[in-house]
Amino acid sequence: GESVGLHLPTLSVQEGDNSIINCAYSNSASDYFIWYKQESGKGPQFIIDIRSNMDKRQGQRVTVLLNKTVKHLSLQIAATQPGDSAVYFCAENMGTYKYIFGTGTRLKVLA
Amino acid sequence: DAGITQSPRHKVTETGTPVTLRCHQTENHRYMYWYRQDPGHGLRLIHYSYGVKDTDKGEVSDGYSVSRSKTEDFLLTLESATSSQTSVYFCAIRDGSQETQYFGPGTRLLVL
Repeated sequence: GESVGLHLPTLSVQEGDNSIINCAYSNSASDYFIWYKQESGKGPQFIIDIRSNMDKRQGQRVTVLLNKTVKHLSLQIAATQPGDSAVYFCAENMGTYKYIFGTGTRLKVLA
Repeated sequence: DAGITQSPRHKVTETGTPVTLRCHQTENHRYMYWYRQDPGHGLRLIHYSYGVKDTDKGEVSDGYSVSRSKTEDFLLTLESATSSQTSVYFCAIRDGSQETQYFGPGTRLLVL
């Protein structure tokens, strides 16, 4: 079974709806941010990244929004699919070796 | 998994025994990292390497040592395993010119 996320916040969405997953980051000096997806029993998978000089970045079906004023990051997934079910977490980097990782949000896609 | 393998993928061991986990990459990336992942915590850095024979401690390095004798391999050793080291261990790599880290598939370690 999973060792990750026994008490994670869970977001349940209907298949086809849009999902928004939020992350509050800790350090105002962080200048690079990453969203990862982690499926059960697997390693974190890179989804999308954004630098602090941007407010928004779009990928395929995913958009990341960055609000530096309130140190908030969000991941939007359009037309959520069953394969999107996973734990999602953000990471911040200050340009050094060190990354700070969030504990994650579990996304459940309802058929 | 971006050309990263970890071995073993699962291990059960007894308290007090030494354990070595291996991370192997085929990307020729400069930086390699070892993290542990536990419920209620984000990934926590154990040790990292910024080149062959160049390593440094992370936030949870007590009880762990590492070695990197080749660019492609980064070994994590638990000199004398304890039950508190039961965890899922992830290796990550990063190219020197980018900030993005890519993770391996993980090793589940159970210390009895």
